Amino acid sequence: QSVLTQPPSVSAAPGQKVTISCSVVGSTIGDEHVSWYQQLPGTAPQLLIYDNNKRPSGIPDRFSGSKSGTSATLSITGLQTGDEGDYYCGTWDTTLSGGGVFGTGTTVTVL
Amino acid sequence: QITLKESGPTAVKPTQTLTLTCTFSGFSLRTLGVGVGWIRQPPGKALEWLALIYWDDDKRYSPSLGNRVTLTKDTSKNQVVLTMTNMDPVDTGTYFCARRIYGEYYFDHWGQGTLVTVSS
Repeated sequence: QSVLTQPPSVSAAPGQKVTISCSVVGSTIGDEHVSWYQQLPGTAPQLLIYDNNKRPSGIPDRFSGSKSGTSATLSITGLQTGDEGDYYCGTWDTTLSGGGVFGTGTTVTVL
Repeated sequence: QITLKESGPTAVKPTQTLTLTCTFSGFSLRTLGVGVGWIRQPPGKALEWLALIYWDDDKRYSPSLGNRVTLTKDTSKNQVVLTMTNMDPVDTGTYFCARRIYGEYYFDHWGQGTLVTVSS
């Protein structure tokens, strides 16, 4: 089963850009469909990016996703105080359990 | 509008069985491809997928839980029930239910979650 590793935290000033990496251990991410979830303090996760780089309706284009080699990346541009929270990458275990796999999570802090 | 909401006890004792209900609206578990899953989050920790049930009653469980977890569905009530046996303090956390469409690789709608504390 894949394990998704993220940096524990990233930070930047308002208006700046942050990037969050998601590395897959145990397989190549090239075969994975990566999603990203935003979890603001005290709330449920919300789907932010799916299929590596697609945004659900209503998600601003300040949020973007990409995938390359053995990792995926979430980028947030024009950082806002309302972006503070936890971000999780995710994928699917298509071979063993048939269930979801989540990353270790990254806390975004706006300085 | 799609909504999901978890309900159940806020506290259980060690060794007891936890039963949580996910009540949803805006979609049906009679519809081809629809699934409802459970994900939990210990305080201050990451998300962990637990189980998933589909429209055709196919069920998937996390290998890490062994045979402690069981899912059932009541399509007439738009509900999915999670049963977890032999609860332990390490099972303390917020339990979320969420929708998944078969063939997609993400959970697109989530409930607000319910906090369950396991303590004697």
